[in-house]
This record gives sequence, C-alpha cells and structure tokens, in this order.
Amino acid sequence: AQSVTQPDIHITVSEGASLELRCNYSYGATPYLFWYVQSPGQGLQLLLKYFSGDTLVQGIKGFEAEFKRSQSSFNLRKPSVHWSDAAEYFCAVEKGNTGKLIFGQGTTLQVKP
Amino acid sequence: NAGVTQTPKFQVLKTGQSMTLQCAQDMNHEYMSWYRQDPGMGLRLIHYSVGAGITDQGEVPNGYNVSRSTTEDFPLRLLSAAPSQTSVYFCASSYGGGAGNGYTFGSGTRLTVV
Repeated sequence: AQSVTQPDIHITVSEGASLELRCNYSYGATPYLFWYVQSPGQGLQLLLKYFSGDTLVQGIKGFEAEFKRSQSSFNLRKPSVHWSDAAEYFCAVEKGNTGKLIFGQGTTLQVKP
Repeated sequence: NAGVTQTPKFQVLKTGQSMTLQCAQDMNHEYMSWYRQDPGMGLRLIHYSVGAGITDQGEVPNGYNVSRSTTEDFPLRLLSAAPSQTSVYFCASSYGGGAGNGYTFGSGTRLTVV
C-alpha cells in the first residue's frame, strides 16, 4: 500500500530564513506528488504538483519542490520565509491517476519575527 | 463558477443519528473524493469516485456510504453517527487527477457527534 511520511511534525524558522519540509513516499512506481497548504480554519490550497518531466517543480508563493526517485522524496523548499507562510503543510501522493490521493500527517510551520 | 461547495459548514449530531454531508462542484470534474481530518492524522481518504456511477473505498470507509448519480454531486452519508466520527470533513474534486489540474478542496464541514 502506498504511504506518505512527513518526518517533522512541527518546524519553527525565523522570518527571512530558508525552509525545507521533508516528504517521503512508499510506492512501487513513480507516483503523482503534491504539496498543499492549509491556513487555520481554512481548506487546502495546492502549492505545486509533479507527475512527470523536470524533477524541480515551481509552485505558487515562491515555493519549489524536488522529486528524487532514488530517495523516494519530494521535499518542499522556499529560499526566504515570510510571516504569512505560517500554516500547516501536507504532502500527498496519488497512485497513478486513480483518484486515490493519500496524505502525510502534515507539518506545522511557525515563523518567528 | 463556485468551485467545490460543501454544506453544512457546521453540524452537531447525537449518537445514532444519520445525516448526509453534501458536496457539489460546477467544474465538470470527473474525480471526487471525501476526506476526514483529525489532529495529528493528516487527511484520510474515506471514499472516492472517478465518474458518475463509480465509487470505491479509501483508507477509512467504515460507517460511511457514498453514491455518485451525477457528475456534479458526491454526498457522504453517515449511517449511524458515533463520537469517533467527530471530525472535519473535506470534499475534493479534480479534472484529470494528478495528470490534470490537481485537486480542488471545499472549505470543509465540522461535525461533532455527542
């Protein structure tokens, strides 16, 4: 069965510092990979996705993610964090194009002024 | 274009009651799915559908029922509510899944079972 692991439950960074959120997946073939962000009390917003092609994916709000097949990882990065980036971030995997989207447990990002 | 609409936004049920959470989308998306979100658990897939008349179970289907008679609607039924079903429920839809435009989420329904 496919699974998604986000090893960091909670991360705190200073405003202006760089950010990397980790995501590892377990799946036999190349999955479709997503990063979503959720602000408190809100729904989920798609930051970026990967399903083929260039392994470095650019998303909205200055985020990017890199797919590394050898490490089964899809880590999210941002070079300079803003206070408004404080939220919960979810990595998700879809097996093929089946409509079956599986989420990691989420990482809560806190931004210090 | 309203996106994904979930109703109601809040609901309190008594143990044993039944109810239906509504989900509608006006984007002609063939994929629709239901998730529940609990603290520390992320979002867990309950049921999903790849088109009208086609549904399948996700990770946590017990206690929930779905049907998909139209492309636009994907209601989630709680047959006999239990306190363990207290959660925030999200509906999502997509045109083409991961190979398409990704998944759009509704704003959620907060359900409390007492």
